[in-house]
Amino acid sequence: DIVMTQSPDSLAVSLGERATISCKSSQSVFKGSNHKNYVAWYQQKAGQPPHLLIYWASTRQSGVPDRFSGSESGTDFTLTISSLQAEDVAVYYCHQYYSRPYTFGQGTRVEIK
Amino acid sequence: QVQLQESGPGLVKPSETLSLTCTVSGASTNSYFWSWIRQPPGKRLEWIGYIYYSGSTSYNPSLKSRVTISLDKSKNQFSLELTSVTAADTAVYYCARSQDDSSVFYYYWGQGTPVTVSS
Repeated sequence: DIVMTQSPDSLAVSLGERATISCKSSQSVFKGSNHKNYVAWYQQKAGQPPHLLIYWASTRQSGVPDRFSGSESGTDFTLTISSLQAEDVAVYYCHQYYSRPYTFGQGTRVEIK
Repeated sequence: QVQLQESGPGLVKPSETLSLTCTVSGASTNSYFWSWIRQPPGKRLEWIGYIYYSGSTSYNPSLKSRVTISLDKSKNQFSLELTSVTAADTAVYYCARSQDDSSVFYYYWGQGTPVTVSS
């Protein structure tokens, strides 16, 4: 199985400041045929299902605020919230859909400092 | 508007079978991957498996011997059966639909249904 490891487990950021979450895959999730990394990012608020933010590592889902962005470098993936808002308090998960069984990171909890 | 809704018992006894149904509205089950994902308390999301609209299935090997996912197109529903449950199967169970026919990431999710395994 591909292991997705996130860091940090939690972080506290001041309103308006940048939040950066990392995710590392234990093996490549890149498919050369379409030049894509098979990684998605989700936001999960308390008592709610996950909400898709980013797919193909860096493509923002329609309707997601542009303060959310994804980037990739080899097997390292990053979710950045450029200016943290109060409504962004949540747990964030990375997800690889490159090979079965599909797997998720352990989650990163984002709070307001 | 696509909506998914899980239903089923919230309490299952050890060694028995957990059965859940996901009812789909606003979309046809004649396309896409239809999946079950669970989240044990305080743990990461775990992919259980999917059924493709063609009827082909794929299961997490960690559960493969105990899990069956089926699709009822006439009712626009798909179901999960997990046999021989233990306390480790206590979790919130989500049904979800893939974004499209080729890529298994999830935009559409049910609200989730908590299932406790206890005598």
